[in-house]
Amino acid sequence: NAGVTQTPKFRILKIGQSMTLQCTQDMNHNYMYWYRQDPGMGLKLIYYSVGAGITDKGEVPNGYNVSRSTTEDFPLRLELAAPSQTSVYFCASSYSGRNYGYTFGSGTRLTVV
Amino acid sequence: AQSVSQHNHHVILSEAASLELGCNYSYGGTVNLFWYVQYPGQHLQLLLKYFSGDPLVKGIKGFEAEFIKSKFSFNLRKPSVQWSDTAEYFCAVLGNEKLTFGTGTRLTIIP
Repeated sequence: NAGVTQTPKFRILKIGQSMTLQCTQDMNHNYMYWYRQDPGMGLKLIYYSVGAGITDKGEVPNGYNVSRSTTEDFPLRLELAAPSQTSVYFCASSYSGRNYGYTFGSGTRLTVV
Repeated sequence: AQSVSQHNHHVILSEAASLELGCNYSYGGTVNLFWYVQYPGQHLQLLLKYFSGDPLVKGIKGFEAEFIKSKFSFNLRKPSVQWSDTAEYFCAVLGNEKLTFGTGTRLTIIP
């Protein structure tokens, strides 16, 4: 049981480049989330999904896009990377938004130069 | 919208000292509260959670938290810390299907 798997673990992007952060879970969780973590700021929700085909914006969605074509996968897309997107990105999943803790992936450290 | 405040940004303690980290939340609905821990270079792990019932919740590694509804608080406690407790601790509230986190408290334990 792998849990929540994120790839890549590290990435350096140039300003204006694009990339996709991958997130896969094998627990048949219907809820999935993308957070970014910045020093002293805690975790901020970027996007979330309550099931395949359904996505919604979180607190800081600008500059990002997501899709949820399957229950297992929830990729996060950066179209035009900016230095402000330098951060650590965590994907998480839960069986339900209620009454269950989240399972987090190990994170992707992204630097935009 | 829900929010969480953690007023202690960095706490430094000696081993065997007692710990209390503050957490205050704001949310108008049924409260579900969590404490997560993040060890250096790792992802967040669940320490404990409160949904209902006994307001004193016990978690892993000797941690506990008390839900005080009248104070909108969910403080984390441990009677005797160890060097291995050095980590960042996040309080979170679940509302509208989403977890909202506090800014975290960095805990440093001096051997």
